[in-house]
Amino acid sequence: DQQVKQNSPSLSVQEGRISILNCDYTNSMFDYFLWYKKYPAEGPTFLISISSIKDKNEDGRFTVFLNKSAKHLSLHIVPSQPGDSAVYFCAASANQGAQKLVFGQGTRLTINP
Amino acid sequence: DAGVTQSPTHLIKTRGQHVTLRCSPISGHKSVSWYQQVLGQGPQFIFQYYEKEERGRGNFPDRFSARQFPNYSSELNVNALLLGDSALYLCASSYVDKNSPLHFGNGTRLTVT
Repeated sequence: DQQVKQNSPSLSVQEGRISILNCDYTNSMFDYFLWYKKYPAEGPTFLISISSIKDKNEDGRFTVFLNKSAKHLSLHIVPSQPGDSAVYFCAASANQGAQKLVFGQGTRLTINP
Repeated sequence: DAGVTQSPTHLIKTRGQHVTLRCSPISGHKSVSWYQQVLGQGPQFIFQYYEKEERGRGNFPDRFSARQFPNYSSELNVNALLLGDSALYLCASSYVDKNSPLHFGNGTRLTVT
């Protein structure tokens, strides 16, 4: 049972435009959500997180939106840069700040010049 | 500051053998977690250790075990290796507070033949 789903295996965006990565979850107990970026041969790198008490969190070019009623979150990257090309993972936790994260399958983002 | 370090980076083992993977957390981080990432999927939680005690365990067989040492480093042990254990094994460390994200190492690539 896949509790966190990223239904788009890949996404291609032109440099300078907005990249939108989507994530859906099924477990209503999840209350903390994170996005990680992964380059080949490296471990996942933390990007941004959001608690279920918020519906938006912003950090520079990265914004995460949470829609609890739809059990959906998204990551917006504006403007997209070539260095953003990587695999992005959505993750969720059922106890805010807990170390047991449930990850989605990942979305490979490619930024084209 | 050094990040999370894992050793070895690559490992090839034969079915039925035993393997030990090692992890050193970021200085000051007392919590260590282990994740398994199979090709094409997101990381899957195996264990969390804090203050040398197991604080969480994922859905993995008893062939998987781990421990944490007084210096907060950790080992993951896998007995009676199966072909399906071939994966990237990721170690992550963090502070233990509600808003502390996991910081991952670059992983150990285990191949079982």
